[in-house]
Amino acid sequence: SYELTQPPSVSVSPGQTARITCSGDALPRKYAYWYQQKSGRAPALVIYEDSKRPSGIPERFSGSSSGTMATLTISGAQVEDEADYYCYSTDSSGNYKVFGTGTKVTVL
Amino acid sequence: EVQLLESGGGLVQPGRSLRLSCAASGFIFDDFAMYWVRQPPGKGLEWVAGISYDGGSIGYADSVKGRFTISRDNAKKSLYLQMSSLGIEDTALYYCGRDPGLNWNDEGGLDYWGRGTQVTVSS
Repeated sequence: SYELTQPPSVSVSPGQTARITCSGDALPRKYAYWYQQKSGRAPALVIYEDSKRPSGIPERFSGSSSGTMATLTISGAQVEDEADYYCYSTDSSGNYKVFGTGTKVTVL
Repeated sequence: EVQLLESGGGLVQPGRSLRLSCAASGFIFDDFAMYWVRQPPGKGLEWVAGISYDGGSIGYADSVKGRFTISRDNAKKSLYLQMSSLGIEDTALYYCGRDPGLNWNDEGGLDYWGRGTQVTVSS
């Protein structure tokens, strides 16, 4: 089955840049999406189609994709950005959707 | 305002069945594909099933294929998940979510989520 691999955790100080990677064999051909999930809350979309930002999402969130890796970057991370982050994409066949393993971002 | 409200969760014994519902409001329901996603306690997100805008195309994760059935009633603006032969591994918070496109097997993601309904499978 298709897998998207993320680092378990990323830790940065306030104002620093946090980068979260997502590795998957189909990413050269399929879009990546990124979701933020704060404790006890439903996930929220922060990046769609590799690099587009929904309305209301701060500009410090950006996305990119190259080869088999997609990256979510939080430039100038804030304490309120502490959350779990999940990438999401489709396998090569288009018949399965997959979430990444998740990354816990700590800002302190 | 887009709203998705899940219901139908609860405590159920292994091997039994349960039906989840998701009531949609604030958008034209039959213009969008829909999904179910679950999250076991303390674990990550798992895609469960997707259904196209008209119910004509459906897909399932291997972990639920043959046991779960996704469906929708566009007249009632509702999404459903019929779950049978439930096992302990199905214990999770179940979310419904909207795709911005018509078909679940296009490359769309989930742009809106409900708050979830808890399903606990235990004897």
